Formats: sequence, C-alpha cells, structure tokens
Amino acid sequence: AQSVSQHNHHVILSEAASLELGCNYSYGGTVNLFWYVQYPGQHLQLLLKYFSGDPLVKGIKGFEAEFIKSKFSFNLRKPSVQWSDTAEYFCAVTGAGSYQLTFGKGTKLSVIP
Amino acid sequence: NAGVMQNPRHLVRRRGQEARLRCSPMKGHSHVYWYRQLPEEGLKFMVYLQKENIIDESGMPKERFSAEFPKEGPSILRIQQVVRGDSAAYFCASSLGQAPEAFFGQGTRLTVV
Repeated sequence: AQSVSQHNHHVILSEAASLELGCNYSYGGTVNLFWYVQYPGQHLQLLLKYFSGDPLVKGIKGFEAEFIKSKFSFNLRKPSVQWSDTAEYFCAVTGAGSYQLTFGKGTKLSVIP
Repeated sequence: NAGVMQNPRHLVRRRGQEARLRCSPMKGHSHVYWYRQLPEEGLKFMVYLQKENIIDESGMPKERFSAEFPKEGPSILRIQQVVRGDSAAYFCASSLGQAPEAFFGQGTRLTVV
C-alpha cells in the first residue's frame, strides 16, 4: 500500500528564512508526486507536480521540489519565505496512470514577520 | 482555480442526523472525487464518480455513506445517522478526464455533536 510521510507537523520561521519540508513516500512502482498548499480559509491548490523528466521541479510562488528516487523523497524548498506563505502544505503521491492520491498528514507553516 | 464549489463550508449535526455535502465541479469537468481528512490525518480517498456513475468507491465506509453525481446538479455525499467519528473535513475535487491532477474545493467541515 502507498504511504506518505511528512516529517514536520508544524514549522515556524521568520521572514526571509529558507524553507525545506520533508516528504518521503512508499510505493513500489512509477509515481507521480505533488505538493498542495492550503492557505487559511481557501481551497487546496497545486503548488507543483512531478510526473517524469527533470527531477528538480519548479512551481508557483518561488517553490521548488526535488525528486530523489533512491531516497523515495520529494522535499519542498523555498529560499526565502514570506509572511504570505503561512499555510498548510501537503505532499501527495499516486501511481502512474492512477487517480487516487495518497496524502501525507500535512505540515503547518507559520511565518513570523 | 476557485471553480470547485463546496457547500456548506461548515456543517454541525447531532448524532443520528443526516449530513448532505454538495460539490459543484469546475465548469466542463465530469469527474469528481471525494476525500476525507480526519483530525491529525492526511486526506484519504473515498469515492470517484463520473456523471451518473460510481467508478470507484473503495475508500468509502460500507454503511451509512453514499455518493451520487446526477446528470444535472452537484455531486452529493450523504452520511446517514452521523456519529462523532464522522467529524472531519470533506474535500471534493474535479478533473476533465480521469487524472491524478484534480482541482480541489475549500472543503466542508462536518462537526457531529
């Protein structure tokens, strides 16, 4: 069975600090990987995705993630966070060609001005 | 992608009552997915529907839960005789075709008292 592990439940950073959120998955085949973000009171929206190709994926709002197949990881990074990045971040995985997303438990990010 | 509309945003029900959660997909989307997020957990797949058809309900509890997506109108997730353990956030997503990349709504937070 697929599973996704997000290492941090709650991360607190000051503005301009660098961010890295960990995500490890368990799946025995080709995967599609996603990071979603949910800002307070808003819908869940896609930050970035990896299907194939360059393992370094760039998303919206300056976020990027790197797929490291040997480590089953897909960590999310941003060099300098802003107060507006305060949100909950979810990593998700699905098998290639499948529609069922398996989500991690989420990481709450609080950015202090 | 604020196009997936869920209502109500918050729903309070007493134990034993029925809960009806509605989801209007993005314009032109005919594939709808429901996910449930229990407290401190990641989103978990419940059911996948196309217009008038249930494609995959493998994640739906066998009793008290049902879902439909009629030819006209929104998709409905119905929970009969709610219990405290049904308290959760219920998310709907839609896509053009069967795809892992779906657009999510804001979710409905169900509280059973």
